[in-house]
Amino acid sequence: DAMVIQNPRYQVTQFGKPVTLSCSQTLNHNVMYWYQQKSSQAPKLLFHYYDKDFNNEADTPDNFQSRRPNTSFCFLDIRSPGLGDAAMYLCATSIIPRKTYTDTQYFGPGTRLTVL
Amino acid sequence: KQEVTQIPAALSVPEGENLVLNCSFTDSAIYNLQWFRQDPGKGLTSLLLIQSSQREQTSGRLNASLDKSSGRSTLYIAASQPGDSATYLCAVSPFKAAGNKLTFGGGTRVLVKP
Repeated sequence: DAMVIQNPRYQVTQFGKPVTLSCSQTLNHNVMYWYQQKSSQAPKLLFHYYDKDFNNEADTPDNFQSRRPNTSFCFLDIRSPGLGDAAMYLCATSIIPRKTYTDTQYFGPGTRLTVL
Repeated sequence: KQEVTQIPAALSVPEGENLVLNCSFTDSAIYNLQWFRQDPGKGLTSLLLIQSSQREQTSGRLNASLDKSSGRSTLYIAASQPGDSATYLCAVSPFKAAGNKLTFGGGTRVLVKP
């Protein structure tokens, strides 16, 4: 089945130790998103790729970076995780043929990040 | 800045009762509104998407209405079942925004008791 896959499902890292979260999709969607969801809060968009174009949200800390080497894969890098970065990280995809057209976003199962 | 609110934050009903979940948004210039379901510790599953030109969407026991002028949407779940227990989130997409950026509400946590 076509889907959005996130690895690992659970990640434990130490304070200040860089960590990379992975997202892959078999939907061939051109847009990929990363959201941060803290406990009992709404998901918050960090950034998204429209094709190869990277779009950062204004309030996303510089500590968060992303890479999209090809259509199928997208990575979230946290350069120096702090205790406040512990959260569920959700990857989503969407197919948007024109920049003014919107469609359903398909979410992966998420990666739960713990910072010790 | 768009703000999305879902009240109540939590809801408990006996099995078989109809569920009514509310979502309100401050900026009516939206392109669409989506309802999602989230099970504990899991990702989001899209339930319904309503375009701004539509008044409602239906899928099985689910019906979502949209009143853009008043900034409200309602999700109805008929004849609730224990398997409907989850958190339900609504999210809006701004008009003509590149990349379909969603703003989420805080969610309503639903418990359906057998």
